[in-house]
Amino acid sequence: GAGVSQSPRYKVAKRGQDVALRCDPISGHVSLFWYQQALGQGPEFLTYFQNEAQLDKSGLPSDRFFAERPEGSVSTLKIQRTQQEDSAVYLCASSLVHGVEQYFGPGTRLTVT
Amino acid sequence: AQTVTQSQPEMSVQEAETVTLSCTYDTSESNYYLFWYKQPPSRQMILVIRQEAYKQQNATENRFSVNFQKAAKSFSLKISDSQLGDTAMYFCAFMKDTNAGKSTFGDGTTLTVKP
Repeated sequence: GAGVSQSPRYKVAKRGQDVALRCDPISGHVSLFWYQQALGQGPEFLTYFQNEAQLDKSGLPSDRFFAERPEGSVSTLKIQRTQQEDSAVYLCASSLVHGVEQYFGPGTRLTVT
Repeated sequence: AQTVTQSQPEMSVQEAETVTLSCTYDTSESNYYLFWYKQPPSRQMILVIRQEAYKQQNATENRFSVNFQKAAKSFSLKISDSQLGDTAMYFCAFMKDTNAGKSTFGDGTTLTVKP
């Protein structure tokens, strides 16, 4: 079936704007993860959902970052009042419940000018 | 907290030769998983190989194999018969053996396979 999809693939925002990034996980995958990948670095964990429950949000860098998955499928990562340091690729991954193997989407490259 | 260190920012290898990428990690956990992911230029990350810490036997997947040294907290990736399509960024990652699934990644090694 289809893999993890993310939209938009590229987003340019002016500093102070709000952005919303979407993730469509693989059908049937219960777990969903968001990571932030700065240029030249490895992904860093942001938050994790199991179905609609956000079980871990310890990686969200500030209260400007908010994630939701209201129906246990599609997830949205929202960043309010974007700052230049928010520029990064945002990766979404999904896995079966308690699944060890995570399947990654292509990412959304956010550039804040 | 767990940390993952990849000490080789860049490596290159001739096509058909063998290359080894290094990874060390730090954890107080006894049960965990280790992974190598491949991220080709402008393409999405895919899992190359994984190792369960409780297994003594090193994992292998075709041309990819690992050398897992639990006591030394070392987890290297060996790529045999390198191909041009192996050119990518390779990330080592750690996951605690819980149902959380949160992974900690190293900063990656850029591998270039030369013809």
